[in-house]
Amino acid sequence: DTAVSQTPKYLVTQMGNDKSIKCEQNLGHDTMYWYKQDSKKFLKIMFSYNNKELIINETVPNRFSPKSPDKAHLNLHINSLELGDSAVYFCASSFREYGELFFGEGSRLTVL
Amino acid sequence: AQSVTQLGSHVSVSEGALVLLRCNYSSSVPPYLFWYVQYPNQGLQLLLKYTSAATLVKGINGFEAEFKKSETSFHLTKPSAHMSDAAEYFCAVSEGYSTLTFGKGTMLLVSP
Repeated sequence: DTAVSQTPKYLVTQMGNDKSIKCEQNLGHDTMYWYKQDSKKFLKIMFSYNNKELIINETVPNRFSPKSPDKAHLNLHINSLELGDSAVYFCASSFREYGELFFGEGSRLTVL
Repeated sequence: AQSVTQLGSHVSVSEGALVLLRCNYSSSVPPYLFWYVQYPNQGLQLLLKYTSAATLVKGINGFEAEFKKSETSFHLTKPSAHMSDAAEYFCAVSEGYSTLTFGKGTMLLVSP
């Protein structure tokens, strides 16, 4: 039973399209995150939600919109995809006060 | 503000040799420190963490790290490398309620 699961694992799409990535955690954590990992493996925080409330919103184009319907889910919707959006997107969760993150397997987005 | 510097983007060792991956941190308060490992096409997995208890922390797969406040370091070591240790390793810092900040990663290469 996967702790943090994200779908789809792979996404290949054309520039200008809209796509979504879904994430679910069954660990009972109160905080969820989206990280972007670029081709050089650098991990950058994008968003963080604590109990469905947005607490971190880094400098990310507003084409990216997270949505947290409940504590166990955090989805990422991307509008008007650009070539530079190609990356691996990781969902993670934690208890906010402890900091330790549990990661999903990642969703590799390729924009052609 | 918290930050992490990992010295060396690539480290090469022979099987059976000592593994040493370097990490220096900057934090305005006593930090929480983490090492994560990422195998190809997978998410990040926690190796070990320091949360202000013992300064020598033991993790999974024979890895350990020592917190040295005077040197602001948290280097990762393993006495004897295995081929299966080849992966990307990330050091990360948190100031309790803050989100993890990751270093740029070190690729460990293990040769027979």
